[in-house]
Amino acid sequence: DSGVTQTPKHLITATGQRVTLRCSPRSGDLSVYWYQQSLDQGLQFLIQYYNGEERAKGNILERFSAQQFPDLHSELNLSSLELGDSALYFCASSPSLRREIHEQYFGPGTRLTVT
Amino acid sequence: DAKTTQPTSMDCAEGRAANLPCNHSTISGNEYVYWYRQIHSQGPQYIIHGLKNNETNEMASLIITEDRKSSTLILPHATLRDTAVYYCIVRVAEAGNKLTFGGGTRVLVKP
Repeated sequence: DSGVTQTPKHLITATGQRVTLRCSPRSGDLSVYWYQQSLDQGLQFLIQYYNGEERAKGNILERFSAQQFPDLHSELNLSSLELGDSALYFCASSPSLRREIHEQYFGPGTRLTVT
Repeated sequence: DAKTTQPTSMDCAEGRAANLPCNHSTISGNEYVYWYRQIHSQGPQYIIHGLKNNETNEMASLIITEDRKSSTLILPHATLRDTAVYYCIVRVAEAGNKLTFGGGTRVLVKP
């Protein structure tokens, strides 16, 4: 158990809909990362937040957005869903931006199925 | 971040050492080698990292060649629970840097 929690575990929705995925980082971790894992693209970095502020962006679609709240939990919002958005979405956290912190701790993921 | 090359898959006998190679010939002086693994659709799990010296922890050992162009992850006594996809990642250890995953090596530990 990494200490990172994600809800829901599974989500099935229809094309065109909007969903929100939630992540609670490990206690005390300030940095949250979102990754997408699809069959054809592998594990890809989407976006990072640090202490409430967006810090880095990867291959995140404009239909997707995220935020980190004052209690440090984060939400990933996916809108106008398409079949190709079906994937596993992972959240990871790390303690701080200190140089010597190397590990990221991943949650169990949310499996999104768009029908 | 430097690109890495790993074999697509490999089998290993239970109880034997598993040696997982990774080539990273374009690695820069300030880039670390990291290993993560993903057990069947679970979240990736950090294993070990190193800069130039060999490293060992309770999970594995990491051997980095002197020229740093390749490395080997060693699982000393593989168990069935070590069946997973293993990712070798090379990146600068800047604060809060993202992970860039390649295809990894699918390791199957057989009884």
